[in-house]
Amino acid sequence: KNEVEQSPQNLTAQEGEFITINCSYSVGISALHWLQQHPGGGIVSLFMLSSGKKKHGRLIATINIQEKHSSLHITASHPRDSAVYICAVRFLGGSQGNLIFGKGTKLSVKP
Amino acid sequence: DGGITQSPKYLFRKEGQNVTLSCEQNLNHDAMYWYRQDPGQGLRLIYYSQIVNDFQKGDIAEGYSVSREKKESFPLTVTSAQKNPTAFYLCASKTSGTVNTEAFFGQGTRLTVV
Repeated sequence: KNEVEQSPQNLTAQEGEFITINCSYSVGISALHWLQQHPGGGIVSLFMLSSGKKKHGRLIATINIQEKHSSLHITASHPRDSAVYICAVRFLGGSQGNLIFGKGTKLSVKP
Repeated sequence: DGGITQSPKYLFRKEGQNVTLSCEQNLNHDAMYWYRQDPGQGLRLIYYSQIVNDFQKGDIAEGYSVSREKKESFPLTVTSAQKNPTAFYLCASKTSGTVNTEAFFGQGTRLTVV
């Protein structure tokens, strides 16, 4: 079964802390997405990657294809980073465009 | 500005009634998707469409129907056959033909059966 596992499920941090959210998947993928969902429910795409590392502002996403693992890092965290972060993958051989989603990591950053 | 618009944001339905959720995009995307989100679960695919006048069932299509008469629009009808329709519904779109492209999401519709 093609699965996506995220950890931790919930995360509370103090403002300024370095945060890491992990995503593991079961079989080969063609792409991995990191998404951000705010309390209102709308989802924003943060990164799409298939190898290596990407950086945007204080956000860094890495992926290790051999270990089937990706991490999302937030440096100098801020209360406005509080949201649910979702990992989603497109498995090799899957129907075109179909993403499989993790259950999300709920991040709360305290001032 | 280009984007995806879902309406309404909140929707209440009486048991036994059909209800239609709207999804419109002006991104000129060929592919559109409907997902359902329940507390503590990942998003699950209901239906998707790669091109006008064609759509495919996703993992949880029972009790739902869709149409794709226009490229910009992909409405989802929650029928009375859906036994547990209370959920958060998200629409997404992307360009098709290339697998690894970014998906764009709407703001979602929260449906509550009363």
